[in-house]
Amino acid sequence: EAQVTQNPRYLITVTGKKLTVTCSQNMNHEYMSWYRQDPGLGLRQIYYSMNVEVTDKGDVPEGYKVSRKEKRNFPLILESPSPNQTSLYFCASSPPTGTGYSGELFFGEGSRLTVL
Amino acid sequence: QKEVEQNSGPLSVPEGAIASLNCTYSDRVSQSFFWYRQYSGKSPELIMSIYSNGDKEDGRFTAQLNKASQYVSLLIRDSQPSDSATYLCAVRRSGGYNKLIFGAGTRLAVHP
Repeated sequence: EAQVTQNPRYLITVTGKKLTVTCSQNMNHEYMSWYRQDPGLGLRQIYYSMNVEVTDKGDVPEGYKVSRKEKRNFPLILESPSPNQTSLYFCASSPPTGTGYSGELFFGEGSRLTVL
Repeated sequence: QKEVEQNSGPLSVPEGAIASLNCTYSDRVSQSFFWYRQYSGKSPELIMSIYSNGDKEDGRFTAQLNKASQYVSLLIRDSQPSDSATYLCAVRRSGGYNKLIFGAGTRLAVHP
């Protein structure tokens, strides 16, 4: 089954304790991206990756890191989480087109993070 | 001004009616437009994409695009309670700028 898998789905942590949210896709997509979703603000892009070893900042990258060492995996790292990073996080991937990527995103199930 | 704007709703329609969801965007060079549906507690899923001015129909869904007015809409005919969800409008800029901008979404409630 074609899917994007995120882990953990739910996490409560404390300020400053490093954490990693994993994301893996089995569709051989080159494009992957991380979003956070907050009430009234919609989905905002954190980081994206056009291919292995190619990453770039989205709209709200502060406090986050990513890496893309393999095509299928795109982990999101919070080095020192703070309460304002409490949010619902989505990983997504997209098939390529001749102009980069299609914009048709396949989303993971989401990871709800609470930072106390 | 937000890049992509939607009324937050809720938009309440009776079962069987037409639901009309609207979206405006600010960047004139935008070329690709998408509607995603998100059920409560679930992830967004793509339901329609549109790239050219005019209408695009897929079953009970019709997407309408007017680039001159910077306006895209989604019509849902014969609305069903199962259509109750938040609908997200997304806009992608043209060229090498690989960003998809989402609106905050419109919550639709279809009541029996």
